[in-house]
Amino acid sequence: QKEVEQNSGPLSVPEGAIASLNCTYSDRGSQSFFWYRQYSGKSPELIMFIYSNGDKEDGRFTAQLNKASQYVSLLIRDSQPSDSATYLCAPQSSGNTGKLIFGQGTTLQVKP
Amino acid sequence: DGGITQSPKYLFRKEGQNVTLSCEQNLNHDAMYWYRQDPGQGLRLIYYSQIVNDFQKGDIAEGYSVSREKKESFPLTVTSAQKNPTAFYLCASKPNRDYGYTFGSGTRLTVV
Repeated sequence: QKEVEQNSGPLSVPEGAIASLNCTYSDRGSQSFFWYRQYSGKSPELIMFIYSNGDKEDGRFTAQLNKASQYVSLLIRDSQPSDSATYLCAPQSSGNTGKLIFGQGTTLQVKP
Repeated sequence: DGGITQSPKYLFRKEGQNVTLSCEQNLNHDAMYWYRQDPGQGLRLIYYSQIVNDFQKGDIAEGYSVSREKKESFPLTVTSAQKNPTAFYLCASKPNRDYGYTFGSGTRLTVV
């Protein structure tokens, strides 16, 4: 079992729709969770983080966390073609190293 | 502006040659990390350092070496022992355990 699992996609949605990206993780001690967006050929950029169970909203983005189910998701409302990228889920490893464990990413395609 | 700088952007290595990738940050972050990304794959941890003069191996440290003589700098050397070094290398830093990474723009290494 991989430490962090994401559907590689591509996930294709029409412009204006809601895109739902999912992630499961194996480290029950993980307390902090991060979502990164990576455009082709570029480095990842942090778009959301969540520490507590429930929902966290920031603009068009909503992160959802369920620690009991070891599940974290990212919703993108009113998807735009500029949202087309790979989205990386990254729980922080338990212990005191601070390191993040990355999934392989889900590629999102938003079609005009 | 504060940030994390990687150089060079592109690097070509001949067989049997050691090369060094530079990573410098002016964010006053304590922890720094090196990742490798292969096409269509997630990020794999090579080395990390949480404090000056101390560093730890990640999941794929064989064939790589690092130093952390200054808080701002964390160079990565790809040695001739690394048999498949062609990849996108990403350096990241963070201020403390519960924050996400800030990434540099990456170095794309190719063996010629």
